[in-house]
Amino acid sequence: SQQGEEDPQALSIQEGENATMNCSYKTSINNLQWYRQNSGRGLVHLILIRSNEREKHSGRLRVTLDTSKKSSSLLITASRAADTASYFCATPTGDDKIIFGKGTRLHILP
Amino acid sequence: NAGVTQTPKFRVLKTGQSMTLLCAQDMNHEYMYWYRQDPGMGLRLIHYSVGEGTTAKGEVPDGYNVSRLKKQNFLLGLESAAPSQTSVYFCASSYSWPNEAFFGQGTRLTVV
Repeated sequence: SQQGEEDPQALSIQEGENATMNCSYKTSINNLQWYRQNSGRGLVHLILIRSNEREKHSGRLRVTLDTSKKSSSLLITASRAADTASYFCATPTGDDKIIFGKGTRLHILP
Repeated sequence: NAGVTQTPKFRVLKTGQSMTLLCAQDMNHEYMYWYRQDPGMGLRLIHYSVGEGTTAKGEVPDGYNVSRLKKQNFLLGLESAAPSQTSVYFCASSYSWPNEAFFGQGTRLTVV
């Protein structure tokens, strides 16, 4: 079974708008990671938020973490065509694994 | 600096054939992972390794074997390929747990 589940499965927005996607997980975590995958390519790490952090920023990315609700959100501000990709959350489990969710497919419309 | 390199990039196998996928990393990472990605299923962990000479089962290990004889290489083997193993396979490495993972570009495998 997968640890993290992203929501929504797919999202289409106009260029310039903000995009928000969510991740829910099941067990306690050390950190939560977000990755991007462009079509047909390998995943690229975007940002890592530790369990004792509530919010983290990196450029146009903002990640929040609510450990009481076992959820995280990724906000991309002022979206661009190049942001079209799939986004995954990943949670390292206590047995040395990194488990990924099914991802959110983001499409930026011109 | 090549990062994580997967070989081959594409392969077509007949049912019952065997093959080995090679993953090589030049970052001196301890941890290495093999995932498969299928439409609508996200990434599922097949096997992983926490150091040279070690391997462990992931979420979907059946039908696959792995070896980590050298720290920089992680091999994924299919002894008798089945159509259900048609997928895109990704290798990843990490300096340590629970740090971020670095991914290869993937191997697209079709079993006919």
